[in-house]
Amino acid sequence: KNQVEQSPQSLIILEGKNCTLQCNYTVSPFSNLRWYKQDTGRGPVSLTIMTFSENTKSNGRYTATLDADTKQSSLHITASQLSDSASYICVVSAETGRRALTFGSGTRLQVQP
Amino acid sequence: SAVISQKPSRDICQRGTSLTIQCQVDSQVTMMFWYRQQPGQSLTLIATANQGSEATYESGFVIDKFPISRPNLTFSTLTVSNMSPEDSSIYLCSVEPRLARAKTQYFGPGTRLLVL
Repeated sequence: KNQVEQSPQSLIILEGKNCTLQCNYTVSPFSNLRWYKQDTGRGPVSLTIMTFSENTKSNGRYTATLDADTKQSSLHITASQLSDSASYICVVSAETGRRALTFGSGTRLQVQP
Repeated sequence: SAVISQKPSRDICQRGTSLTIQCQVDSQVTMMFWYRQQPGQSLTLIATANQGSEATYESGFVIDKFPISRPNLTFSTLTVSNMSPEDSSIYLCSVEPRLARAKTQYFGPGTRLLVL
């Protein structure tokens, strides 16, 4: 069964600090992995998307890594800002005809002043 | 990319009634998806809607409860029928643009539904 597990479930950090969120998956056959940011009451917004051959991708202060061998990904946030407070969702796409996506349960990040 | 709008953005409904949610995209898309996100949970796919054919529903979701229309390549509706408090969720429309690489999906802002 395809699964995506994220850790931690929730995280509180002080403004200006860095943090790293983790994602482990068992989706097969693997197509791509993406990180989304979801503000409270809003739809998810894509941060990064990585295919099998990519092991790192940056989007401003967000840097995602992918280890396809160990089936792990991380999202590193540098110099956090209050606006980074949101849920971060790891989504893995399987290479099937139905474009199946498996969603992680998300990490809820709270950045405090 | 694709710009997606949903109507209504939120609603409070009485049990037993139905609500139709609209999803409008600024470009033609082949694949449109409807998701549900219950409080504190991640997204669950309800169905995939392709233009010109019946929607394909995921396990646990049926057409009588969640009828979907897809009249053209830029628009879709999801109806939540005979609502109960358990239907209180955020409902999200998602699209996969025709020329998207790597199966990229874009999400609408969501419709927040509360059933009393």
